[in-house]
Amino acid sequence: EVQLVESGGVVVQPGGSLRLSCAASGFTFDDYTMHWVRQAPGKGLEWVSLISWDGGSTYYADSVKGRFTISRDNSKNSLYLQMNSLRTEDTALYYCAKDIDGSGSFDYWGQGTLVTVSS
Amino acid sequence: AIWMTQSPSLLSASTGDRVTISCRMSQGISSYLAWYQQKPGKAPELLIYAASTLQSGVPSRFSGSGSGTDFTLTISCLQSEDFATYYCQQYYSFPRTFGQGTKVEIK
Repeated sequence: EVQLVESGGVVVQPGGSLRLSCAASGFTFDDYTMHWVRQAPGKGLEWVSLISWDGGSTYYADSVKGRFTISRDNSKNSLYLQMNSLRTEDTALYYCAKDIDGSGSFDYWGQGTLVTVSS
Repeated sequence: AIWMTQSPSLLSASTGDRVTISCRMSQGISSYLAWYQQKPGKAPELLIYAASTLQSGVPSRFSGSGSGTDFTLTISCLQSEDFATYYCQQYYSFPRTFGQGTKVEIK
């Protein structure tokens, strides 16, 4: 059974930093592209970032480019999101999601970890 | 970025109804479109990918159609468990983008 379990979400002050983690199991992690997607409270879904199976390619939403860094450790079946210079508008539930086949739709999602940016 | 217009934003329907949700793109995306269902407090679930391919385990009352700029999600016979919010998503180009969502509520 595929499982994605996010962690690391906390309350942080504006300008602060945070690293989210996603532990994957139930599939061959290093075969798949992975994503982070977020959802602000009561709002819709926003794609944040993508990393290829080998970490060689990464992409970001304009809203986080230059502030967030996606990475992965295939030896630990783990995905990460380093978040710097956090803003109040980064407050959201952050999901990690598995790409179905590298094309860009998401067939499995974690339950999310909540990041609150507030003073 | 590709802009997506999803409509309606709110749809009131009854069990047994046939419902359709539309997603229109600001430019052509071939068939690089997915549909998701999200229930309150839960993560989204993939229903349809490649515009019309039903994800494994998804009931056949869900179907998707379209290509280029205009896409449709159809639920042929609405069940109680289908009351939820639905999102379209394009994966033709970066940044990946989602529609604004359609909440399907009980009439």
